[in-house]
Amino acid sequence: EVQLLESGGGLVQPGGSLRLSCAASGFTFSSYAMTWVRQAPGKGLEWVSGISGSGDRIFYADSVKGRFTISRDNSKNTLYLQMNSLRAEDTAVYYCPKVLTPDTLLTVLSDWGQGTLVTVSS
Amino acid sequence: DIQMTQSPSSLSASVGDRVTITCRASQSINSYLNWYQQNPGKAPKLLIYTASSLQSGVPSRFSGSGSGTDFTLTISSLQPEDFATYYCQQSYTTPTFGQGTKVEIK
Repeated sequence: EVQLLESGGGLVQPGGSLRLSCAASGFTFSSYAMTWVRQAPGKGLEWVSGISGSGDRIFYADSVKGRFTISRDNSKNTLYLQMNSLRAEDTAVYYCPKVLTPDTLLTVLSDWGQGTLVTVSS
Repeated sequence: DIQMTQSPSSLSASVGDRVTITCRASQSINSYLNWYQQNPGKAPKLLIYTASSLQSGVPSRFSGSGSGTDFTLTISSLQPEDFATYYCQQSYTTPTFGQGTKVEIK
């Protein structure tokens, strides 16, 4: 059974930093691209970033480019999102869904964790 | 970015009703269109991928169709557990989601 467990969320002041983690199990982690998707309170879904299985291809939404960094440690089956220069509009639940098909970047998001809440406020 | 527009934004329906939700892309996305269901306080769940493929474990009352710019999600006979918010998402380029359609009890 695929399991994705996000952690690292919390309250941070504007301009601050936070690192999210996503612990994966139940599948061959290094074979699957992973993504971060966020959802502001009461709002819709927004794709944030994606990374290939090997980590050699990385993509960001314009809204976070230059502030957020996605990475992965395939030896630890863990995905990360380093978030710097945080703004109030980054407040959201952050999910780390995996893609459906191995060895592809096609962003069909088949499995999701429960998410972790990031609140940016003074 | 490709813009995804869903309609309606919300609808009221009864158990047993046939429900159709539409999604329009701002440019052609071939069949790279996926549908998700989200219940309050829960993570989204993949229902349909590449426009018409049913994800494993999803009931057959859910179906998807369309290509190019216009797509539909149909629930053939609405069940109590189907009252939720539905999102379309294009995977043709950098992913973008529709704004969501909330299906409420009539």
